[in-house]
Amino acid sequence: DIQMTQSPSSLSASVGDRVTITCRASQSISSYLNWYQQKPGKAPKLLIYAASSLQSGVPSRFSGSGSGTDFTLTISSLQPEDFATYYCQQSYSTITFGQGTRLEIK
Amino acid sequence: EVQLVESGGGLVQPGGSLRLSCAASGFTFSSYWMHWVRQAPGKGLVWVSRINSDGSSTSYADSVKGRFTISRDNAKNTLYLQMNSLRAEDTAVYYCARGLCDIWGQGTMVTVSS
Repeated sequence: DIQMTQSPSSLSASVGDRVTITCRASQSISSYLNWYQQKPGKAPKLLIYAASSLQSGVPSRFSGSGSGTDFTLTISSLQPEDFATYYCQQSYSTITFGQGTRLEIK
Repeated sequence: EVQLVESGGGLVQPGGSLRLSCAASGFTFSSYWMHWVRQAPGKGLVWVSRINSDGSSTSYADSVKGRFTISRDNAKNTLYLQMNSLRAEDTAVYYCARGLCDIWGQGTMVTVSS
């Protein structure tokens, strides 16, 4: 199975900050990488698919980049509603998720 | 509105069985692969199983292989997960998700405990 490793596991930031979360795959997954946001008690929400494509309805402050094994999710200017847990997911082979990055208010 | 609604969760004793359902609406269900993903309390997301669009091909996580069975009824726009020989470690919220995992249900809680 392909292992996905996110860093950091948790992150404290302030409204207006620029934030980057990293995801590394244990082998090349081309661009088969998605990013999700999950808030407590809610289902995950797709933000970015195919590494860099913004899902419809998702604010443009979210962006994704990378290919092969290294990927990043960037939030250009944090808003109060962005404090949540973020997961990467590979769909190159049997789906696996990263362990999650909890984004907290500083 | 595109929607997935899970049902069938609950409290079950170790070794017991449960069948989860996921009712789809607002899209052509028969055109999409479907997945089950679970999340233990306070933990991350774990993929459980997937089924192709016509139900002819399935895949499972090693942790549930031989105990869980995924199926679908395209005439009823419904996805299923039959869970047998349940263990405490199967306790989780179970989500169904469409295709690319772009649409998720609200989840149904399964608790395995005596």
